[in-house]
Amino acid sequence: AQKITQTQPGMFVQEKEAVTLDCTYDTSDPSYGLFWYKQPSSGEMIFLIYQGSYDQQNATEGRYSLNFQKARKSANLVISASQLGDSAMYFCAMREPIHGAGSYQLTFGKGTKLSVIP
Amino acid sequence: DTGVSQDPRHKITKRGQNVTFRCDPISEHNRLYWYRQTLGQGPEFLTYFQNEAQLEKSRLLSDRFSAERPKGSFSTLEIQRTEQGDSAMYLCASTRGEETQYFGPGTRLLVL
Repeated sequence: AQKITQTQPGMFVQEKEAVTLDCTYDTSDPSYGLFWYKQPSSGEMIFLIYQGSYDQQNATEGRYSLNFQKARKSANLVISASQLGDSAMYFCAMREPIHGAGSYQLTFGKGTKLSVIP
Repeated sequence: DTGVSQDPRHKITKRGQNVTFRCDPISEHNRLYWYRQTLGQGPEFLTYFQNEAQLEKSRLLSDRFSAERPKGSFSTLEIQRTEQGDSAMYLCASTRGEETQYFGPGTRLLVL
């Protein structure tokens, strides 16, 4: 069963506009964490923002904010004032425990390709 | 502050050959992870090390794959008898404790 769903294969946004990238998740664990990573064409995964399931407020990091709706199991990424350098793949990921190992692995969605238009 | 580094960045090999990739984590990070990313997909977890101990292996990690982290610092991932289906990006990540995983630039493998 797919645990992270990103329904938008591709998105376009005008430079300086805001854009929302969708992510829904599925888990029965009351304690979980959600991440967004950016992957430019060079390939490296760049950490953007994190939301814990018990965090009372939506996470924000500069131009990035996370619209966390726990009841809907959604964790959408909002990028404000888009820049040309924001063009990349964006992945939503959920932290899942590695049982007996005291750590966690990340389960990723299929990603959304964002293109910023001048 | 040096990030995670991986070597080589690109590797082209012929089917049946062995390949080895290296990952150097952030220096104070004791936890290291390997992921594989095929075209059009998100990364998938392969294996996890805490210090030098390999504590978890995904079922994706067939017996042709082996990973080591001999001194709890750098790690190597070896693929024996490569197949065309092994063509992918291999990503390494590191963290300290339960903190965010930081990724390296990846190694792109192409098996001809």
